[in-house]
Amino acid sequence: GAGVSQSPRYKVAKRGQDVALRCDPISGHVSLFWYQQALGQGPEFLTYFQNEAQLDKSGLPSDRFFAERPEGSVSTLKIQRTQQEDSAVYLCASSPGTSGGPQAQYFGPGTRLLVL
Amino acid sequence: GDSVTQMEGPVTLSEEAFLTINCTYTATGYPSLFWYVQYPGEGLQLLLKATKADDKGSNKGFEATYRKETTSFHLEKGSVQVSDSAVYFCALRLTGGGNKLTFGTGTQLKVEL
Repeated sequence: GAGVSQSPRYKVAKRGQDVALRCDPISGHVSLFWYQQALGQGPEFLTYFQNEAQLDKSGLPSDRFFAERPEGSVSTLKIQRTQQEDSAVYLCASSPGTSGGPQAQYFGPGTRLLVL
Repeated sequence: GDSVTQMEGPVTLSEEAFLTINCTYTATGYPSLFWYVQYPGEGLQLLLKATKADDKGSNKGFEATYRKETTSFHLEKGSVQVSDSAVYFCALRLTGGGNKLTFGTGTQLKVEL
């Protein structure tokens, strides 16, 4: 079956531009996560949705970062007024349930963002 | 805070060699532990997991045992193949601490003929 898909796969932005990154989770998956992966580092948690509710946004680095999942399926991560330090791979993951038990998170291929 | 520490790479091995990638963790609660693998050009994939002390996760010839006394979850494989070349990430998830994963920095493995 189809996995998690993300678009665009690559994005080059000029400093100060706004960008929007899209995630299509596995159909029926309740939970959706966004992570940021800097070059040579492990992914770092940004935010978590359960259906359309954003239950944890503690990892968002600044108020320039905003995520939504209005219908509990597709999610968009928006970065306003991009800065060079925002350059990273942005990973989306989904899992079938909510909490309780070590459910696997299924990752998309990521969007590589380069801010010039 | 919670954290995961992995041995630095790259690790370069000959085919059929024994592999160990060290992983230790710091957590305030009782985490579940995971190994993810990222093959070149692909997304992260779950390799194996363990949910409580002394559990052993295994998959594709890889194994890791949850050691609470040493707060470790070392990844091992008895005989690596060229196709195992990838970046390996150790991660934890706190029970009752939300669902987010906390990752280590990753260890690149290169297997040569």
